[in-house]
Amino acid sequence: KAGVTQTPRYLIKTRGQQVTLSCSPISGHRSVSWYQQTPGQGLQFLFEYFSETQRNKGNFPGRFSGRQFSNSRSEMNVSTLELGDSALYLCASSSQGNQGETQYFGPGTRLLVL
Amino acid sequence: AQSVTQLDSQVPVFEEAPVELRCNYSSSVSVYLFWYVQYPNQGLQLLLKYLSGSTLVKGINGFEAEFNKSQTSFHLRKPSVHISDTAEYFCAVSAYSSASKIIFGSGTRLSIRP
Repeated sequence: KAGVTQTPRYLIKTRGQQVTLSCSPISGHRSVSWYQQTPGQGLQFLFEYFSETQRNKGNFPGRFSGRQFSNSRSEMNVSTLELGDSALYLCASSSQGNQGETQYFGPGTRLLVL
Repeated sequence: AQSVTQLDSQVPVFEEAPVELRCNYSSSVSVYLFWYVQYPNQGLQLLLKYLSGSTLVKGINGFEAEFNKSQTSFHLRKPSVHISDTAEYFCAVSAYSSASKIIFGSGTRLSIRP
């Protein structure tokens, strides 16, 4: 089975712009979670989608949003980018996202905001 | 809410020596416990997890961890490390009620000296 794929792998944007990141889960997985990784704050949970619905949400401002399509692919959008949004964005997929199932992580998208 | 404390930000050890990476957690509800590893410029890979049952959990690459409920700890151990174990290790928890929302510790960088 192919693993979790994320596109693009690297991205450079300027302050005030918006960005969309994409995540394709492992085939058959219906749960997709997003995480932000920064040197200062570490790994932080953004949100999780299951069957096209946001099921869990972290403590991020409304500029961070996401969606999931019927084929379980997910996108994450950040509007009005700030310098502090520079980070590695990781997505993870699992079959149902419950009962301690293993989450499989993609390689991440590294976003640099100038 | 849950939180995870990794007591050591960096752990240097010599090759073939044993290692223990410490992790303590806090939660008012039942949790699942995980250890993930992140190699340079890669995503996260699950080493092992504790869901229930035996408190000693064996994972990949010769790692094991012991769940201690009274001390709220989940320390990771390996009896003999290899250069290839050089990576960052993250302890994490998720609540039974929101299992897809993983809360990570700040990470421990394991560096192996020849």
